[in-house]
Amino acid sequence: QPVLTQPPSSSASPGESARLTCTLPSDINVVTYNIYWYQQKPGSPPRYLLYYYSDSDKGQGSGVPSRFSGSKDASANTGILLISGLQSEDEADYYCMIWPSHASGVFGGGTKLTVL
Amino acid sequence: EVQLVQSGTEVKKPGESLKISCKGSGYSFTTYWIGWVRQMPGKGLEWMGIIYPGDSDTKYSPSFQGQVTISADKSVNTAYLQWGSLKASDTAMYYCARGTNAWSPEGGFDYWGQGTLVTASS
Repeated sequence: QPVLTQPPSSSASPGESARLTCTLPSDINVVTYNIYWYQQKPGSPPRYLLYYYSDSDKGQGSGVPSRFSGSKDASANTGILLISGLQSEDEADYYCMIWPSHASGVFGGGTKLTVL
Repeated sequence: EVQLVQSGTEVKKPGESLKISCKGSGYSFTTYWIGWVRQMPGKGLEWMGIIYPGDSDTKYSPSFQGQVTISADKSVNTAYLQWGSLKASDTAMYYCARGTNAWSPEGGFDYWGQGTLVTASS
C-alpha cells in the first residue's frame, strides 16, 4: 500500500489561510487521482469535506463551507486542502485519502491543525 | 436523511469472537458501497475494506485481508465486521462509512457511523 505523507502538525491564526498538504509517493502521479479530504474533531467521527481531481472535476461535501477547497501541486506530487478565513472551530485533525490501483483505499497519517 | 447507526461498545477477551454492525437508512442500501475504517487509540485512520451490499462483493486492504471478515445482509440494511479470534492489538474505534459513488468502490466516504469502540483485554 502506498504511503501518503501529511505533516503531523500545522498552525495558523484566525482569519488567515491554512494550506494542508498530502504528498504521494513518486510512483503514483497525483494528477491521475481523486484526493479526498476529511476533518475529525476529538470524540467525533470523521467528516467528509471534499474531493478534488481538477478544477473542472471536484465536489464539496454536504454542508461544507466554500472556504474549504482543494487543489494539486503536480510538481510536488501533492494534494492540497486550503482553508481560508480560519475560525477557531476549524481546529481539528485533517486526513487525505486516495484509491490507488490496488483495489483498496489508503489514508494519509493526518495533520493536526491548531488555530492560534 | 442518510444515517449509519453502529452497534455499541464491546469489551472482549483476546481469543474471543466478535461481530459488530452498521445499519443504513435514508438511502438505497444496496446501491452504495459500505466501508470500514479503524482508528487505534491516539492514531490515524486506516482503510480496512469495503462491501457492496447489492451482491456482497468485498475488497480488503492487504493489511486486513485474512484478519477480519466483512459481510452484509441487505434484507435488514446492515453491514458487519467480524473477528474470529480477537487480539489485544484489535483494540480500537471502528467506523463504518458510505462510499461516495453509487455502484463503484473507488471513491471516498461521505457519511459515517458514530463508531464502535472495541476493547480486547484480559
